[in-house]
Amino acid sequence: RKEVEQDPGPFNVPEGATVAFNCTYSNSASQSFFWYRQDCRKEPKLLMSVYSSGNEDGRFTAQLNRASQYISLLIRDSKLSDSATYLCVVNYGQNFVFGPGTRLSVLP
Amino acid sequence: GAVVSQHPSRVICKSGTSVKIECRSLDFQATTMFWYRQFPKQSLMLMATSNEGSKATYEQGVEKDKFLINHASLTLSTLTVTSAHPEDSSFYICSSIVPQGTEAFFGQGTRLTVV
Repeated sequence: RKEVEQDPGPFNVPEGATVAFNCTYSNSASQSFFWYRQDCRKEPKLLMSVYSSGNEDGRFTAQLNRASQYISLLIRDSKLSDSATYLCVVNYGQNFVFGPGTRLSVLP
Repeated sequence: GAVVSQHPSRVICKSGTSVKIECRSLDFQATTMFWYRQFPKQSLMLMATSNEGSKATYEQGVEKDKFLINHASLTLSTLTVTSAHPEDSSFYICSSIVPQGTEAFFGQGTRLTVV
């Protein structure tokens, strides 16, 4: 079993749609959790950290369930510019483990 | 946020030659640098972890004699792909963590094409 797994994708959604990404991790010692966004042929960039209490940043909401070892990302009112690959990242100590990513295409 | 500068962004080289990729931390001391490789439509795969002043730790399946890592200072880490072959063509990217922090900052990546 892979350490971090994500929805296989790709997700093709119309502008304005709400889309949810799921991620599970296997290492219960994981300490920090993140969603990164990677545009084609670019480096990943931090989208948001994920906290147990859940956190929201504009149209983006992240949730963490430590008991189920599950992380989610919800994007509301999706924009064309949201098209990218979304990477679930789990950290323990100095180890960062990346999920395979889920590609999102927002269509006009 | 912290900045990691990676150079070159793109390189094309002939099979059998060596290519050096540099990553510099511009506004913090990068005690540890992570080197990743990403093949098309795949996720980032950790190749090795380098610590300043000591030998790098390589992930299983990564040849340490082929991918030479040097981390001689707190602001510079280099990856040299020796005797490159077409199958080494990939996107190589470095990353570091600010001391006392948890967020990873990435270099801009290097797209290597071996012909």
